[in-house]
Amino acid sequence: KQEVTQIPAALSVPEGENLVLNCSFTDSAIYNLQWFRQDPGKGLTSLLLIQSSQREQTSGRLNASLDKSSGRSTLYIAASQPGDSATYLCVYSGGSNYKLTFGKGTLLTVNP
Amino acid sequence: NAGVTQTPKFRVLKTGQSMTLLCAQDMNHEYMYWYRQDPGMGLRLIHYSVGEGTTAKGEVPDGYNVSRLKKQNFLLGLESAAPSQTSVYFCASSGIRYEQYFGPGTRLTVT
Repeated sequence: KQEVTQIPAALSVPEGENLVLNCSFTDSAIYNLQWFRQDPGKGLTSLLLIQSSQREQTSGRLNASLDKSSGRSTLYIAASQPGDSATYLCVYSGGSNYKLTFGKGTLLTVNP
Repeated sequence: NAGVTQTPKFRVLKTGQSMTLLCAQDMNHEYMYWYRQDPGMGLRLIHYSVGEGTTAKGEVPDGYNVSRLKKQNFLLGLESAAPSQTSVYFCASSGIRYEQYFGPGTRLTVT
């Protein structure tokens, strides 16, 4: 059974700091990996999607990487801001089906 | 382009009552999904559909039924609500790239 692990479970940083969120998965037969953001009481907002043929994707201050061989993905946030405070979810999609496996998320707090 | 919408946003039910949650998407996506999110459990797949007229069970299907009569709509039904079904329900859809788009959620409380 596919498992997705996110480390750390919670992270608190001062404003302006660069940070990395980690995600690991057990099945290397990946189709794509998606990073989402969830604000308290809200739905999930897609940040970045990396196809299995890609190594990384960038959007503004966000950069996500994918290493299939090691079963890892990272989300890099540059120059963090208080508005980045949210839970970040790593979501795996396997090549054999279209059902997703969700990590439990990293709760990020950026302090002014 | 509204994306994925869910109706209602909030609902309180008494044990044994029934209700239907509606999900609609305007992106012409083939795949649609219903998830529930509980504290400490993450998101869990209830049912999904790979196209109009099809449905399949996910990880936690018991106590729920679904229908996909039209491509743009995916209905989730609770026939006899139980307190264990108190949760936040999310609908999602995806197209050929399997990139999922989520609705804003429905917060359901069963007393």
